[in-house]
Amino acid sequence: QKEVEQDPGPLSVPEGAIVSLNCTYSNSAFQYFMWYRQYSRKGPELLMYTYSSGNKEDGRFTAQVDKSSKYISLFIRDSQPSDSATYLCAMSGRGAGANSKLTFGKGITLSVRP
Amino acid sequence: DVKVTQSSRYLVKRTGEKVFLECVQDMDHENMFWYRQDPGLGLRLIYFSYDVKMKEKGDIPEGYSVSREKKERFSLILESASTNQTSMYLCASSSHYQPQHFGDGTRLSIL
Repeated sequence: QKEVEQDPGPLSVPEGAIVSLNCTYSNSAFQYFMWYRQYSRKGPELLMYTYSSGNKEDGRFTAQVDKSSKYISLFIRDSQPSDSATYLCAMSGRGAGANSKLTFGKGITLSVRP
Repeated sequence: DVKVTQSSRYLVKRTGEKVFLECVQDMDHENMFWYRQDPGLGLRLIYFSYDVKMKEKGDIPEGYSVSREKKERFSLILESASTNQTSMYLCASSSHYQPQHFGDGTRLSIL
């Protein structure tokens, strides 16, 4: 079993839809959870960063972590064509910076149709 | 804002050449990373460094080496480039308190 599994997609939704992106993981030591957004021909951009279980909201984006189920989600409300990108989940077992390697999902490509 | 700058966006080299990819960060981050990204394989860690002159192997170090002579600069070296090293190369940096931030990548083609 891979340490981090992410639906491969691709995913296509109409503008204004609520999007749910998910990752599951097997390593119970993971404590820090991140979502990165990557536009075509650009590097990944940090979108959300959460610690342990719970929700974090930033504008139209909500990150949710359920450590008991080893499951994280990213919700996008009122999706826009500019949200069309590849979304990568990432996680680590120690501080998100200090000497800590991240384990990434393979990413899912989202397309929001006008 | 964190700025991670990779010296080239696109690079074309020939088989057997020694290739240098440069990365500079402006946030005084302790940690720096090199990844390659390939369709269907995701991001794979090549090498990382948590201090000047320190380096650690990642998951796929074969055929690569790195150099970190200054805190802000981390170089990836392809000792003898091969066609299977054609890929998107991404550099990232982080600190004890900040997660990894990435550069925009170098798309390297080995002919």
